[in-house]
Amino acid sequence: GEDVEQSLFLSVREGDSSVINCTYTDSSSTYLYWYKQEPGAGLQLLTYIFSNMDMKQDQRLTVLLNKKDKHLSLRIADTQTGDSAIYFCALRGTGNTGKLIFGQGTTLQVKP
Amino acid sequence: GAVVSQHPSWVICKSGTSVKIECRSLDFQATTMFWYRQFPKQSLMLMATSNEGSKATYEQGVEKDKFLINHASLTLSTLTVTSAHPEDSSFYICSARASPALYGYTFGSGTRLTVV
Repeated sequence: GEDVEQSLFLSVREGDSSVINCTYTDSSSTYLYWYKQEPGAGLQLLTYIFSNMDMKQDQRLTVLLNKKDKHLSLRIADTQTGDSAIYFCALRGTGNTGKLIFGQGTTLQVKP
Repeated sequence: GAVVSQHPSWVICKSGTSVKIECRSLDFQATTMFWYRQFPKQSLMLMATSNEGSKATYEQGVEKDKFLINHASLTLSTLTVTSAHPEDSSFYICSARASPALYGYTFGSGTRLTVV
């Protein structure tokens, strides 16, 4: 089945850029997502990218997709303490159910 | 738009009792809803997929008789944890998908279940 891998932890200083990486095995996924989860809360959709795109930018967020290497990244510019959270990449699986396959989540710690 | 309301936010129940968790799509019709379970510091584990008007599809290893899912309308799905035990204590999150699902899936705020 599909496997999605993320590094578990990233620590940056406020104002720096953060880059969270994700690798996956199934190249047939058409939608790839980044979600943010704050403690005790549900998941908030940050951004998404279609598989026919290489890059997408939305304010401080930049998503890069390298289909050849099956690598997805999320860059957060000018990281703020409020960005501290767990970030999940997710791929929409193939088939009619369209269920999401999640990575393990990357905990982003932003130090002041 | 695309708001999913999940209730309750947290619940404490005694062993052996049943607990119902509701997931409502407030401003869109959700043809498909997903129920996840999340253990501390871990990713989301998909429990089941429910489609309006039909039986839920459970993931391997999830007991369908223990975790009853009902998706009776396009805006409401419920998860009932029957005969709860302490090992059922977890964070449960629902997700809804409108059709067509162009912009991803909207998640509820989660329910913290503690069984004592």
